[in-house]
Amino acid sequence: EVQLVESGGGLVQPGRSLRLSCRTSGFNFGDYSMSWVRQAPGKGLEWVGFIRSKTFGGTTDYAASVKGRYTISRDDSKSIVYLQMNSLKTDDTALYYCSRGGNESPLDCWGQGTLVTVSS
Amino acid sequence: EIVMTQSPATLSVSPGERVTLSCRASQSVSTSLAWYQQKLGQAPRLLIYGASTRATGIPARFSGSGSGTEFTLTISSLESEDFAVYYCQQYNSRTFGGGTKVEIK
Repeated sequence: EVQLVESGGGLVQPGRSLRLSCRTSGFNFGDYSMSWVRQAPGKGLEWVGFIRSKTFGGTTDYAASVKGRYTISRDDSKSIVYLQMNSLKTDDTALYYCSRGGNESPLDCWGQGTLVTVSS
Repeated sequence: EIVMTQSPATLSVSPGERVTLSCRASQSVSTSLAWYQQKLGQAPRLLIYGASTRATGIPARFSGSGSGTEFTLTISSLESEDFAVYYCQQYNSRTFGGGTKVEIK
């Protein structure tokens, strides 16, 4: 069974940093691109960014709203994808989902999300 | 940036009715279009990809059609478990539509 479990969310002050993790199991992690999607309270889905598999260079792409502040990385030996969030703003408050896919492919599996609240 | 526009924003329907949701792209996306269902308090779930292919385990009452800039998700006979928010996504540029909420009439 494919599982994705996010962690690392919490309350953080504006301007500070936070790192989210997504631990996966049940599939060959190294073969897949991985994405992060967020959802502000009461709002729709917003794609945040993704990282390609090593086969496709392990490169990343980000939404304009987070480019330069967020960094996605992966550890294929542990089947984990990370989201490093710097210079956080109140507008970054959201439930952050990890999902499988994203390199010109749909997001076919999702975690349950981890809540990030940016507030002073 | 490709903009995805969904309509209507909210749809009030009764169980058993046929439901049609629309998604429009600001420029052609061929068939690189996915539909997701999100129930209250749950993560999204992939329903349709490639504009018309049902994902694993998705009931046959869900169908997708379209190509280019106009897409449709149809639920042939709405069941109580189908009340949710539905999102389209163009998965090359990865942008989502704003969603359509299907609520009980």
